[in-house]
Amino acid sequence: AQSVAQPEDQVNVAEGNPLTVKCTYSVSGNPYLFWYVQYPNRGLQFLLKYITGDNLVKGSYGFEAEFNKSQTSFHLKKPSALVSDSALYFCAVRSAGTALIFGKGTTLSVSS
Amino acid sequence: EAGVTQFPSHSVIEKGQTVTLRCDPISGHDNLYWYRRVMGKEIKFLLHFVKESKQDESGMPNNRFLAERTGGTYSTLKVQPAELEDSGVYFCASSQLAGVGGNEQFFGPGTRLTVL
Repeated sequence: AQSVAQPEDQVNVAEGNPLTVKCTYSVSGNPYLFWYVQYPNRGLQFLLKYITGDNLVKGSYGFEAEFNKSQTSFHLKKPSALVSDSALYFCAVRSAGTALIFGKGTTLSVSS
Repeated sequence: EAGVTQFPSHSVIEKGQTVTLRCDPISGHDNLYWYRRVMGKEIKFLLHFVKESKQDESGMPNNRFLAERTGGTYSTLKVQPAELEDSGVYFCASSQLAGVGGNEQFFGPGTRLTVL
C-alpha cells in the first residue's frame, strides 16, 4: 500500500537558521512527490514537486527538496528560515492513479 | 485567474441533518478531487471526477456521502444524514490534463464541517 510518513509533528527553528522537514514514502512504481503548505485559515498551497530528473528540486519561497530513491525520502529544506514560513507542511505522493496520498503534516514554527 | 473556491467556509450542524458542500474548480480544469482531513490526521482522498464522470470514488466512506458534478463544472458533496465522525475539513482540488500523474493539484480553502 502507498503511504507517506512525516515523522515530526512539529519542527522549531530560529529565524535565519536552516530548516528541514522530513518525509519518507512507500509506493510501487515511480513516485511523483509533492510538498504543500497550509497557512492559517487558508487552503493548501503547492510548493514544489519531483517528477523525474534532477534529484534537487526548487520551489516557491526559497524552498527546495531532495529526492533520495535509496532512502525513499523527499525532505523539504530551506537555507535560512523566516518567521513567515511558520505554517503546516504536507508531503504527498502519487503513483498509480491520480489521488494524492498525504502525510499527517508537520507544523513548522520559526521564532524571531 | 480565480483559484478553487469552496462554500461554505464553515458549517455546524446537528447529527442526523443534511449538509451540502460546494466546490468551484479553476476554469478549464477537467479533474476535480475531494479530500477530507479529520482533526490531526492525514488528508484522505474521497473521490475524483474527470469532467462530469466519477473516475475513482474508492475513498468515499459510505453511502451517506453523495458527490455530483453536473455539467462538468462545479461539484457538490452531500452528507445525509451527518454523523459525528464526519466532522473535519473537506478540501476540493482541481487540475488540468487528466491522466498526467505529475500534474499538481490546486486546492481550495476547505470547508470546516462540525457535526454536533
